[in-house]
Amino acid sequence: SSELTQPPSVSVAPGQTARITCGGDNIGRRTVHWYQQRAGQAPVLVVYDDTDRPSGIPDRFSGSNSGNTATLTISGVEAGDEADYYCQVWDGDRFVFGPGTTVTAL
Amino acid sequence: DVQLLESGGGLVQPGGSLRLSCSASGFTFDNYAVTWVRQAPGKGLEWVSTINNSGGARLYTDSVKGRFSVSRDNPKSTLYLQMNSLRADDTGVYYCAKGGRLMALAGSGFDSWGQGVLVTVSS
Repeated sequence: SSELTQPPSVSVAPGQTARITCGGDNIGRRTVHWYQQRAGQAPVLVVYDDTDRPSGIPDRFSGSNSGNTATLTISGVEAGDEADYYCQVWDGDRFVFGPGTTVTAL
Repeated sequence: DVQLLESGGGLVQPGGSLRLSCSASGFTFDNYAVTWVRQAPGKGLEWVSTINNSGGARLYTDSVKGRFSVSRDNPKSTLYLQMNSLRADDTGVYYCAKGGRLMALAGSGFDSWGQGVLVTVSS
């Protein structure tokens, strides 16, 4: 079974790059999806299938996945990117979310 | 545009029942799996249940097995979650979400979400 780990929080100055990690045993063998949840709102898919972006998601959002770590990278962080971010995988008979990471633009 | 609209939440006593509904529009409902995800107050996202496009496959997280039942009415483009024997730890916002891959139980994430409905289990 997959247990996923994420850092509780990431702080970055506006305009800089935020990297949010999602750890799991051999997670590189699984497909990872990422969601953004702004305060009081429903989640939004920002990266799917490790590296793909849904239409309407800026190319500042990118994903990678290898070994035991998947990473969501937000380039040129803006105030509007402040949110909770969750990774998610399919574990064969269940879906698993990571605990979430709060991104703060300092 | 894809729209998902949940309803049926509210306050219920421990041991009680509720039925949530999720009305879908803007896509061919019977081509996609749909999922319930919940979020306890101040906590993270938790997967609850998924049903495939035909209704023939249903999955549940361990904590709701035997108490919750997911179903769908494809002609009505509606997803349901029957929740019985409710407990305090079932409290939270329940979201319905559309699967991202055509005719697949999993894959490509959950690409559209409703705004959620609040379920409060308390005496």
